[in-house]
Amino acid sequence: EAGVTQFPSHSVIEKGQTVTLRCDPISGHDNLYWYRRVMGKEIKFLLHFVKESKQDESGMPNNRFLAERTGGTYSTLKVQPAELEDSGVYFCASRMVDNSPLHFGNGTRLTVT
Amino acid sequence: AQSVAQPEDQVNVAEGNPLTVKCTYSVSGNPYLFWYVQYPNRGLQFLLKYITGDNLVKGSYGFEAEFNKSQTSFHLKKPSALVSDSALYFCAVRDGAAGNKLTFGGGTRVLVKP
Repeated sequence: EAGVTQFPSHSVIEKGQTVTLRCDPISGHDNLYWYRRVMGKEIKFLLHFVKESKQDESGMPNNRFLAERTGGTYSTLKVQPAELEDSGVYFCASRMVDNSPLHFGNGTRLTVT
Repeated sequence: AQSVAQPEDQVNVAEGNPLTVKCTYSVSGNPYLFWYVQYPNRGLQFLLKYITGDNLVKGSYGFEAEFNKSQTSFHLKKPSALVSDSALYFCAVRDGAAGNKLTFGGGTRVLVKP
């Protein structure tokens, strides 16, 4: 089966610009998560979708971040406007049911200059 | 609140020697514990998990981990390390009683020298 795919793999933007990250989960996985790792620190939870619904968005840092999952398939994470501290690696993960392991994508490395 | 500590930023070991990567956790309910590995420019790959049952869990690539409730630890071990085990290792916990989100430790870089 195809794994979780993320696009782009790298993005370099200037402060104040907008960037949209995309995640395609494994087919049939209702649960989709966004995480990010900033400045080599721990990986932090951003939010969790079940199908198209936001189950938990407690990790979203502020209202410059908007995640969507229209139709319950792929998801996008938009940062607008981007700030320097948003630089990091953004991971998407999916799983089918509770207690099954998360399957991670390769991540998108975002650099804001 | 739940948290994970990986006290070592890096672990160096000679090939063929035993490898241990330490992890301690804090969670209110029953801990669901996981180890993931990240190779360069790749996503995190699942190694093993503890949900319930036997405290010694065996996973991929010859790795195992032991759940110790009294010490709130879940150290990752491999009896004989390979150069190809060099990677970044993350421990993670989830509260089995509440929520679905994983909390990760800061990661431990493992360097296995030939």
